[in-house]
Amino acid sequence: EAGVAQSPRYKIIEKRQSVAFWCNPISGHATLYWYQQILGQGPKLLIQFQNNGVVDDSQLPKDRFSAERLKGVDSTLKIQPAKLEDSAVYLCASRGDFWTTYEQYFGPGTRLTVT
Amino acid sequence: GDSVTQMEGPVTLSEEAFLTINCTYTATGYPSLFWYVQYPGEGLQLLLKATKADDKGSNKGFEATYRKETTSFHLEKGSVQVSDSAVYFCALRTGTASKLTFGTGTRLQVTL
Repeated sequence: EAGVAQSPRYKIIEKRQSVAFWCNPISGHATLYWYQQILGQGPKLLIQFQNNGVVDDSQLPKDRFSAERLKGVDSTLKIQPAKLEDSAVYLCASRGDFWTTYEQYFGPGTRLTVT
Repeated sequence: GDSVTQMEGPVTLSEEAFLTINCTYTATGYPSLFWYVQYPGEGLQLLLKATKADDKGSNKGFEATYRKETTSFHLEKGSVQVSDSAVYFCALRTGTASKLTFGTGTRLQVTL
């Protein structure tokens, strides 16, 4: 079974530029999460999707961050404009349905550096 | 709100030494508890879990017991290997569909 795929793996941009990250979850997983992991901290949930609907985006800085999950499969997270404090690893995770497993499976992450 | 507190690292051990990484939590309700491991350059991997009080999770020689009375879920391994060098995250989840709340992580370095 293929795991969660993310791209790009690394990205360096200047502040005020925009950037987008892509995630392809495990096939059949209805729930998808985006986490932000700042160096030295644990991952923090940004947004949770159930199919193509948003379940929780309470910690997403909506003035600059946006995310979508069209067709309930792939997802894109965008930052526009980026700030220095957005430098972090952005992790995507997906979860199986009620009848299989509740556990979240994580992708390798995208390391963003904002200069 | 929910929170997880882990011992600060790095933890440096010699191969075959005994490992303990402390984790305590604060949560409403009855959380499920997890340990995730992050190897260099890789994503988080579930190491073990426990879903109710007194449950013991185990995997790859690692163990952790859900202690409700002390709100703890300490990670232990009897004999660490160099290949265990990684960052270990304690996490909790309240409810099957809700988010994971992570601790800050503890870096383990095992030397020969």
